[in-house]
Amino acid sequence: DTGVSQDPRHKITKRGQNVTFRCDPISEHNRLYWYRQTLGQGPEFLTYFQNEAQLEKSRLLSDRFSAERPKGSFSTLEIQRTEQGDSAMYLCASSWGQTDGDTQYFGPGTRLTVL
Amino acid sequence: AQSVTQLDSHVSVSEGTPVLLRCNYSSSYSPSLFWYVQHPNKGLQLLLKYTSAATLVKGINGFEAEFKKSETSFHLTKPSAHMSDAAEYFCVKNSGYSTLTFGKGTMLLVSP
Repeated sequence: DTGVSQDPRHKITKRGQNVTFRCDPISEHNRLYWYRQTLGQGPEFLTYFQNEAQLEKSRLLSDRFSAERPKGSFSTLEIQRTEQGDSAMYLCASSWGQTDGDTQYFGPGTRLTVL
Repeated sequence: AQSVTQLDSHVSVSEGTPVLLRCNYSSSYSPSLFWYVQHPNKGLQLLLKYTSAATLVKGINGFEAEFKKSETSFHLTKPSAHMSDAAEYFCVKNSGYSTLTFGKGTMLLVSP
């Protein structure tokens, strides 16, 4: 399967713990995006990379969140000192191109539950 | 301000009848618009996209959408619903810098 993959698919943690998620984009894609989806809502943009450069961050991304894409391939999203409000589905997407109309392909998501 | 508005949170149809999912957007320019579908426990899948070419866009599984600039609408239609169409549908706008803005979603329910 050559689609976007995410690991783990589910994560249960206790409040205050740190968690890290991984996203592997489609191999030739130069752009990678992170979104968060809470129950009953559409996904909300968090951040995006073009190659290894992080070009845009949402105000939703507090200083407890950090994302990296060290070699322009896979990406990690870390949440430090998790809070119950961080419980959500975290989605990764990737695309190829330089324009705003490029299609983003989504992974299956990582569902985070903070107890 | 919400820049993508899906007018119905739920739409119920019978199998074989037409589907209409409504979406309005706000933008000072002609944006790129998309419809994505999300089946339970599956990732978001692109149905179709509009990028200022033909205003009537055909997508997968018999879906199509018409871009109407004068009405700032991008409604999704299908002539005949199938049970497998039951899912949540998102109208999406490209908000610049390659980020997407999603509507709140419309749950499509299909009864036999």
